[in-house]
Amino acid sequence: KAGVTQTPRYLIKTRGQQVTLSCSPISGHRSVSWYQQTPGQGLQFLFEYFSETQRNKGNFPGRFSGRQFSNSRSEMNVSTLELGDSALYLCASSLAGQGNTEAFFGQGTRLTVV
Amino acid sequence: GESVGLHLPTLSVQEGDNSIINCAYSNSASDYFIWYKQESGKGPQFIIDIRSNMDKRQGQRVTVLLNKTVKHLSLQIAATQPGDSAVYFCAENMRSSGSARQLTFGSGTQLTVLP
Repeated sequence: KAGVTQTPRYLIKTRGQQVTLSCSPISGHRSVSWYQQTPGQGLQFLFEYFSETQRNKGNFPGRFSGRQFSNSRSEMNVSTLELGDSALYLCASSLAGQGNTEAFFGQGTRLTVV
Repeated sequence: GESVGLHLPTLSVQEGDNSIINCAYSNSASDYFIWYKQESGKGPQFIIDIRSNMDKRQGQRVTVLLNKTVKHLSLQIAATQPGDSAVYFCAENMRSSGSARQLTFGSGTQLTVLP
């Protein structure tokens, strides 16, 4: 069974540009969450999608957005990139819609903003 | 705001010894906890989880203990091996999130296994 797949693995963008990251959850998983990981702030929750609906959102500006498709694949978008957006972006998938079930992470997308 | 924190940022143990990694949480509304292992350049790897209606759970070479009275979580690794060297995170899911998932992570502990 394939794990969580994130693409691309690495990305370099210029300030002001926008970027779209993709996440394919484990087959059968319907919940996809996104996290930002930086050395200074650690792992921080961005948002969670379940059945194509955003159920929960962290404390990030509106430049960070996402969506989920009918096949549970998810994308997140960051517009007007800033240097501080450089981070490892991780997505996690869960089987059920409940908060108390295992969440499995992908390898992440390393975004560098220059 | 409330958050999950770790007692120690680094831990060094001899190969073959047992490791204990601690985590303090302050949100009494949390009802589910997960330990993750993250190796350099990789995403967090699920190790073990525990629900708030339990105080102990065992896996292969790992045990998680939950003390709700003092809001403390620990991960015990038996017979630590070089491959256990990594950063370990505890994460909590708040009951107030309902069915939604929002994990709050601790800052992590770097475990180094010495030969």
